Amino acid sequence: GAVVSQHPSWVICKSGTSVKIECRSLDFQATTMFWYRQFPKQSLMLMATSNEGSKATYEQGVEKDKFLINHASLTLSTLTVTSAHPEDSSFYICSARRGGRTDTQYFGPGTRLTVL
Amino acid sequence: GENVEQHPSTLSVQEGDSAVIKCTYSDSASNYFPWYKQELGKGPQLIIDIRSNVGEKKDQRIAVTLNKTAKHFSLHITETQPEDSAVYFCAASPLSGGSYIPTFGRGTSLIVHP
Repeated sequence: GAVVSQHPSWVICKSGTSVKIECRSLDFQATTMFWYRQFPKQSLMLMATSNEGSKATYEQGVEKDKFLINHASLTLSTLTVTSAHPEDSSFYICSARRGGRTDTQYFGPGTRLTVL
Repeated sequence: GENVEQHPSTLSVQEGDSAVIKCTYSDSASNYFPWYKQELGKGPQLIIDIRSNVGEKKDQRIAVTLNKTAKHFSLHITETQPEDSAVYFCAASPLSGGSYIPTFGRGTSLIVHP
């Protein structure tokens, strides 16, 4: 149990376009989902926390208008990178927490975004 | 906020040897400490976790120890195998607003030579 999927696994886009990444909890309901960004050989940087049905809470320094997060259901959260630029190229990873639990996070496989 | 230091950044061992990764944290309110294994191009996978009311936890070849007084915790892998090669992240989580949001260490790249 506790499987989290992400789609797509990788995406290449042109500068200025928008890209949507989906995160799904496949076998459990996730009241809270998290979005992380990871640069090569570095740790995970939390971007935002989203709770189902409410607005996401963004970490300091993360642009809300650039990284749009929607947590429309208990099994789906989306991250949209708007007007992507080469510096947005990174590995984006989501994680989900089971409803009723406050600690353990289960991570998705990640999405590699390359902006040309 | 919480600050997690992880050492070493790289660890190279021979197959069958033990590997130890150490982390320290700064926030005494942290009481949940997960460890994640991340293989190249994949998301992190939870391998073991420990809560502050326990000093040690073991799961087959993996064990984690916690010293709350000294604010450090360690991951121990015995009888290492090549498939253990990956990046390992520790994390520490204080309970804030009824929720745990972990702070991650910088990761340790473990290389197990056959």
